[in-house]
Amino acid sequence: KAGVTQTPRYLIKTRGQQVTLSCSPISGHRSVSWYQQTPGQGLQFLFEYFSETQRNKGNFPGRFSGRQFSNSRSEMNVSTLELGDSALYLCASSDRTGWTGELFFGEGSRLTVL
Amino acid sequence: ELKVEQNPLFLSMQEGKNYTIYCNYSTTSDRLYWYRQDPGKSLESLFVLLSNGAVKQEGRLMASLDTKARLSTLHITAAVHDLSATYFCAVDSYGKLTFGQGTILTVHP
Repeated sequence: KAGVTQTPRYLIKTRGQQVTLSCSPISGHRSVSWYQQTPGQGLQFLFEYFSETQRNKGNFPGRFSGRQFSNSRSEMNVSTLELGDSALYLCASSDRTGWTGELFFGEGSRLTVL
Repeated sequence: ELKVEQNPLFLSMQEGKNYTIYCNYSTTSDRLYWYRQDPGKSLESLFVLLSNGAVKQEGRLMASLDTKARLSTLHITAAVHDLSATYFCAVDSYGKLTFGQGTILTVHP
């Protein structure tokens, strides 16, 4: 069974640009969550999608957005990039329908903002 | 706001020794996860603890959950070099994981 696939794995952008990251969950999983990992702030929750609906959202500015498609694949977008957005962005999928269910993480997309 | 605190944050161990990592959290939850992260890699799931008193063991690692004390422990038995990594606990609240700061474990010969 294929795991969680994130693309691209590495990318470099400049301040003011925007970026779109993609996540394909494990087959059959309908929940996709996104997390940001930085050395200073650690791992922080961005948002969770379930069946194309945003179910939960973390404390990030509106520049961070996401969506989920009918095949459960998810994208997150960051607009007007800032230096502080440099991070490892991790996607996790789960077969949870309620609030239980193990999360499986992808390898991440490492974003560098210059 | 849920807070999750791990200690110690840095742990240097000798091979063959035992030690425990502690994870305290601030609000009620009965779902707690332990993850391992190697440098430059993603998070590998170690344990899922879903009820008070849950205890799970895998190899040299054993995790437990006390929801009344809001405390989970990750016990390492007879450490080996391969266990060197960063270990995170995470508390699940309505689908949102709040992570501890991570414990950087280094095992020396």
